[in-house]
Amino acid sequence: QKEVEQNSGPLSVPEGAIASLNCTYSDRGSQSFFWYRQYSGKSPELIMFIYSNGDKEDGRFTAQLNKASQYVSLLIRDSQPSDSATYLCAPRGAGSYQLTFGKGTKLSVIP
Amino acid sequence: EAGVAQSPRYKIIEKRQSVAFWCNPISGHATLYWYQQILGQGPKLLIQFQNNGVVDDSQLPKDRFSAERLKGVDSTLKIQPAKLEDSAVYLCASLSEGSYGYTFGSGTRLTVV
Repeated sequence: QKEVEQNSGPLSVPEGAIASLNCTYSDRGSQSFFWYRQYSGKSPELIMFIYSNGDKEDGRFTAQLNKASQYVSLLIRDSQPSDSATYLCAPRGAGSYQLTFGKGTKLSVIP
Repeated sequence: EAGVAQSPRYKIIEKRQSVAFWCNPISGHATLYWYQQILGQGPKLLIQFQNNGVVDDSQLPKDRFSAERLKGVDSTLKIQPAKLEDSAVYLCASLSEGSYGYTFGSGTRLTVV
């Protein structure tokens, strides 16, 4: 049974601060890692993904992977109130086109 | 590019009744998924199709849930009979070959009373 663990939060940060979201996964064969953002009452939307070979930065977002610890993180710099949402971590297994989702971390950015 | 279309958006039924959800994926996307998202939890995979064949239905409660994807395009998910614990948002997602993350539809919110 593949498991993905996320702190459900809520994680509250002041506007302009760095928000750090974390995720641990059980499947050592996971090859890529996806972060989705889900606003209340809406469906998840992909914000970024990384492969098992390195970190990635995209605008204010940085995704980092620690394979040895089976740990993925998402950093959001200069957090904005519009970043307030639930962030879902989803690893993809080797040779698979399936994503296994964590419960998500609710982020609240305080103006 | 049109997104993943789902209908209905909302459905309220009584327990033991039946219900069906419809999904039309992005044109050309061969892989289609149905996920169940219970309030406060992450999406849980129910079934994965590749064209019109089932790739994985290991987490589909087959005594009450069924799904089909005719002609490798539209898909229907059915629940019969519904239970209170089936109250959730049912999300359809599709994926094109060579791409990475899924694109989700807007979902169907089911309430069983």
